[in-house]
Amino acid sequence: AQSVAQPEDQVNVAEGNPLTVKCTYSVSGNPYLFWYVQYPNRGLQFLLKYITGDNLVKGSYGFEAEFNKSQTSFHLKKPSALVSDSALYFCAVRDMGGSYIPTFGRGTSLIVHP
Amino acid sequence: KAGVTQTPRYLIKTRGQQVTLSCSPISGHRSVSWYQQTPGQGLQFLFEYFSETQKNKGNFPGRFSGRQFSNSRSEMNVSTLELGDSALYLCASSSNPPGQGFTGELFFGEGSRLTVL
Repeated sequence: AQSVAQPEDQVNVAEGNPLTVKCTYSVSGNPYLFWYVQYPNRGLQFLLKYITGDNLVKGSYGFEAEFNKSQTSFHLKKPSALVSDSALYFCAVRDMGGSYIPTFGRGTSLIVHP
Repeated sequence: KAGVTQTPRYLIKTRGQQVTLSCSPISGHRSVSWYQQTPGQGLQFLFEYFSETQKNKGNFPGRFSGRQFSNSRSEMNVSTLELGDSALYLCASSSNPPGQGFTGELFFGEGSRLTVL
């Protein structure tokens, strides 16, 4: 069975500082990995994905993520946080060798302090 | 291009009643999936439809059902509501199902927040 772990329920960072939101995954086949962001009372918005190729993927709003196969991680990063980045972030995985059903992490609340 | 539209946005029901939620995907998207979001369980997959056929189903009781119409619009129904069904129900669309030019990212609606009293 596939799984996603987001070990931090909440991440606090000061505006202008770099941020990292952690994600590790477990799948039996090749993973498709995704990050989504959710603002209050809204649906999820797609940020970026890794399917194949370069381990560093760039997405919307200046976010990027690094795929690390040996550590089965896909951490979300941004060089300089903005207060407007404060939201709930979800990591998700699809096992392309399995049922394709996406599994989401439990979410990490990012709080950027002015 | 209009996004995914879900109706109603908010609704309140009592135990034992049933509810039907609607989802209109992005124009041209033929795959629709549904998710239940709760603070305790996070985001849980309900089911996925493509071309009016259910492709995958999550681990939910038979009280939860869905369907997709020929115009790709989808509905989900929950019968005999329980207090634990209170949640945000999210619909997502994508352009292709797995195996057919699949890219994987989902485009979500803003959800239907169901409260069961």
